[in-house]
Amino acid sequence: AQSVTQLDSHVSVSEGTPVLLRCNYSSSYSPSLFWYVQHPNKGLQLLLKYTSAATLVKGINGFEAEFKKSETSFHLTKPSAHMSDAAEYFCVVSDQGNKLTFGGGTRVLVKP
Amino acid sequence: DVKVTQSSRYLVKRTGEKVFLECVQDMDHENMFWYRQDPGLGLRLIYFSYDVKMKEKGDIPEGYSVSREKKERFSLILESASTNQTSMYLCASSYGLAGIHPYNEQFFGPGTRLTVL
Repeated sequence: AQSVTQLDSHVSVSEGTPVLLRCNYSSSYSPSLFWYVQHPNKGLQLLLKYTSAATLVKGINGFEAEFKKSETSFHLTKPSAHMSDAAEYFCVVSDQGNKLTFGGGTRVLVKP
Repeated sequence: DVKVTQSSRYLVKRTGEKVFLECVQDMDHENMFWYRQDPGLGLRLIYFSYDVKMKEKGDIPEGYSVSREKKERFSLILESASTNQTSMYLCASSYGLAGIHPYNEQFFGPGTRLTVL
């Protein structure tokens, strides 16, 4: 069985400061891991994905995530937050073919 | 670009009504999925389909059924809507077998916000 825990339901940052969104996963197999973003009233958009290649994954809009097998973590970071980063972020794991398991989401607020 | 469209953005129905939510994708994807999204719970899988006329139960199938008569279209049916089915419903699609397309990236529609009164 697979599961995902996003450790923070809300994160508040000031514009220009770093963003850290924490994610831990549980998986019986070598997982694929994803981060999706959902802006208000929009569908989900893929930010980045890990599929057993490089452990540091770069995504769109300056985001990156590091896969740490020993810690079963896949935290998402960005060096400098922008107002347009205000959204909800989902960490996702897949170890059963085409099925995805979603975390509960982290809502990011960016203060000017 | 992959496009996944859903028939309605907002829908209001009454308890006991039969409700149809439609989803269409234009990328010839084999797999299609229906999720519901509730605050703090993320997305939960209701049903998915690997091929035309094929369906598999997800994690929360109770109270729902699905239909896939054509490859590009996947319908979610609430046989008798109840207030606890008030939610955001998201459709997604992806390429087929993991061994051929191993990354399992799913492409999402904009969602249908359903309110059952």
